[in-house]
Amino acid sequence: EDQVTQSPEALRLQEGESSSLNCSYTVSGLRGLFWYRQDPGKGPEFLFTLYSAGEEKEKERLKATLTKKESFLHITAPKPEDSATYLCAVQHHYGGATNKLIFGTGTLLAVQP
Amino acid sequence: DGGITQSPKYLFRKEGQNVTLSCEQNLNHDAMYWYRQDPGQGLRLIYYSQIVNDFQKGDIAEGYSVSREKKESFPLTVTSAQKNPTAFYLCASRSDGADTQYFGPGTRLTVL
Repeated sequence: EDQVTQSPEALRLQEGESSSLNCSYTVSGLRGLFWYRQDPGKGPEFLFTLYSAGEEKEKERLKATLTKKESFLHITAPKPEDSATYLCAVQHHYGGATNKLIFGTGTLLAVQP
Repeated sequence: DGGITQSPKYLFRKEGQNVTLSCEQNLNHDAMYWYRQDPGQGLRLIYYSQIVNDFQKGDIAEGYSVSREKKESFPLTVTSAQKNPTAFYLCASRSDGADTQYFGPGTRLTVL
């Protein structure tokens, strides 16, 4: 069964304290892995798509990496405005008509000043 | 500004009533999706549409209905048959040939 597991469920950091969020997945043929940021009461905001093991993408203080079994979202010197829930989702390689995404439950990040 | 709009932001419904959630996009995207988000669970797919006048059930379609009469619009009706409709509903769209889905701001539905 296809599954996406994110850890930890919640993470509290001090401003400037770097850390990583984990997304482990089991899927029958990965087409792509997606990271989104979601603020309370709002829709998810797209961050990154990763397609192959070894791929890395960066945006400001965020860097996403991908292996054959998991992805990491590294947050370098976070600021309070990075506080949000970070969602991971995977897409099958068979590329059915849906381009269906399978989502994890997210990691709630709180960055304290 | 291009984007996805959902209305209303908050919706309250009495048991036994049908309600319709609006989703409009001006991104010229072909595919549109409806998801449901509950605390402690990942987003779950309700319905999706690849083109006008065509739509398919997702994983949790029971108690919901949709239409796709225009490319820009994909309204979702939550019927009285939906047993537990209180949730945060998210609409998304995707350009043909691309993989990334972009989300609207969401509608929070509460059943009183």
